[in-house]
Amino acid sequence: DAKTTQPPSMDCAEGRAANLPCNHSTISGNEYVYWYRQIHSQGPQYIIHGLKNNETNEMASLIITEDRKSSTLILPHATLRDTAVYYCIVRVQGAQKLVFGQGTRLTINP
Amino acid sequence: SQTIHQWPATLVQPVGSPLSLECTVEGTSNPNLYWYRQAAGRGLQLLFYSVGIGQISSEVPQNLSASRPQDRQFILSSKKLLLSDSGFYLCAWKRKENTGELFFGEGSRLTVL
Repeated sequence: DAKTTQPPSMDCAEGRAANLPCNHSTISGNEYVYWYRQIHSQGPQYIIHGLKNNETNEMASLIITEDRKSSTLILPHATLRDTAVYYCIVRVQGAQKLVFGQGTRLTINP
Repeated sequence: SQTIHQWPATLVQPVGSPLSLECTVEGTSNPNLYWYRQAAGRGLQLLFYSVGIGQISSEVPQNLSASRPQDRQFILSSKKLLLSDSGFYLCAWKRKENTGELFFGEGSRLTVL
């Protein structure tokens, strides 16, 4: 699986959009980009995934650059409950395992 | 709907004692099952995964073992715990379809003294 690089920490004001970047410059054509988040002392929670098109669901939007070497997870109106560690993962389609990196610790400030 | 449960939620064990953490999944069949560990302040480390009964893949050499005696049951064990085995252990399951997402249990926090 391709390696990902994320900033170790970020801050965002409550009510503003939180934009979390992820670099995956060695991604191959059959690798998907996944985002998970882990709230303190809980198991990670799936947020969204995509291959090359931008994706949106009730939790977030995923913007993938045209060359697929980076992506951004957008939480449009961050709340205090969005404070968590956010993991960006790339995974080959059909792969059985998901390997997590260090993630970005996002803190939403009131 | 599918559910995943793991227990015990919290465990304090002396060095050298055995360990057994259990995980069960309901509402699905033939899932992939996973054990992850998270040491304090660290990221998630994949320990084992299983694609079927009796089939275990180990990701890192360590003091732990895993077994899958039934389709929806995954057990993490150790014969003799080390201090370094302390951490937050998470069980997860996934459908076998290509883009299936992982669903995690509530976690088991192990402290080895």
